Amino acid sequence: DGGITQSPKYLFRKEGQNVTLSCEQNLNHDAMYWYRQDPGQGLRLIYYSQIVNDFQKGDIAEGYSVSREKKESFPLTVTSAQKNPTAFYLCASSLAGDRPVEQFFGPGTRLTVL
Amino acid sequence: QQQVKQSPQSLIVQKGGISIINCAYENTAFDYFPWYQQFPGKGPALLIAIRPDVSEKKEGRFTISFNKSAKQFSLHIMDSQPGDSATYFCAATISGGSYIPTFGRGTSLIVHP
Repeated sequence: DGGITQSPKYLFRKEGQNVTLSCEQNLNHDAMYWYRQDPGQGLRLIYYSQIVNDFQKGDIAEGYSVSREKKESFPLTVTSAQKNPTAFYLCASSLAGDRPVEQFFGPGTRLTVL
Repeated sequence: QQQVKQSPQSLIVQKGGISIINCAYENTAFDYFPWYQQFPGKGPALLIAIRPDVSEKKEGRFTISFNKSAKQFSLHIMDSQPGDSATYFCAATISGGSYIPTFGRGTSLIVHP
């Protein structure tokens, strides 16, 4: 059963802590993405990766870091430098190529800073 | 700068009515326009998409209308049902680049029974 999994579903963080959100896909997609969703703000791109061991900053990368050591995995670390990390985080993947393709989204992780 | 403007932010319709969500863009290089549907607590999923070489695309009760000269496109949901209650995002993508869509801010649709 192919798809994207994100864990945990809910995450609570104390101020000053780094936390890592997991994203795994078994769709054999080359490209993976992290978005942040806030009410009324739509989906804002944090980081994306189109190939293993390579990734690019999106529109709101400050305070976040990623790695892409495996094709299937694209974890996101929310660092203590992120001033307002409480949000819903979505991971997505897609085929890479020379034409627009559908993005497949995971179920999301809701991060709350206490 | 918001490249894709979506309206309204929220929409309430009665069961059986027509829901209309509008999007406008500035960048004429956009050439692929998908719509995503998101239910509460879930990730978005592709609903329907259109390219600018056609003015309309219909899939069941969902229709995209595209006006290239006005740089606008809209989603029409005919015979709206309570199960259509969700957040809808329009998006736009440029071919030849990274193909990462630029999303509108979303419309929260509530369909009353």
